[in-house]
Amino acid sequence: AQSVTQLDSHVSVSEGTPVLLRCNYSSSYSPSLFWYVQHPNKGLQLLLKYTSAATLVKGINGFEAEFKKSETSFHLTKPSAHMSDAAEYFCVVSDQTGNTPLVFGKGTRLSVIA
Amino acid sequence: GAGVSQSPSNKVTEKGKDVELRCDPISGHTALYWYRQSLGQGLEFLIYFQGNSAPDKSGLPSDRFSAERTGGSVSTLTIQRTQQEDSAVYLCASSFGGPRFYEQYFGPGTRLTVT
Repeated sequence: AQSVTQLDSHVSVSEGTPVLLRCNYSSSYSPSLFWYVQHPNKGLQLLLKYTSAATLVKGINGFEAEFKKSETSFHLTKPSAHMSDAAEYFCVVSDQTGNTPLVFGKGTRLSVIA
Repeated sequence: GAGVSQSPSNKVTEKGKDVELRCDPISGHTALYWYRQSLGQGLEFLIYFQGNSAPDKSGLPSDRFSAERTGGSVSTLTIQRTQQEDSAVYLCASSFGGPRFYEQYFGPGTRLTVT
């Protein structure tokens, strides 16, 4: 069975500084990994996904994540935070079979301070 | 194009009543998912429909919960004899295929409050 742990429930950064949202996963098989973002009162949107191709994945809005099998991690980063990045971020895992639905982490709330 | 739509957007019901939540997926998407999001929690998987296959109901928390997908399109999630712990936002998502490779597109959710 797979699981995902988001190590921080809340991260606060200043505008223009780097963002790091941490995620560790557990999976019996080679996983697919995703990051979704949920802005206040809006639906969830896919930021990026890893499906066993390149380990460094680039997503929308300048975000990227690196799959590190040895560390079972899939941390989300962005070089420079923008006020519009303030939202809830979810790390998500799916196993190799693709037949079991996604397992979501509990989310990390990102605050960006002007 | 039209995204995933859900209705109603808000539902307040009394404990013990039955409720039905509706999801209209994106046209052409074969997969449909229901999730529940409680305050301070991540998304909890409820049920997954893929094409004509039997649905994966492994996430339904009790037999008070059921879902149907008619004609491979619209889906209804039914909660019978609602309890206060059922209060949450219920999210529907759809995708072109299975969850490993295909992006899930989420609807805005139905906020259910059981009083």
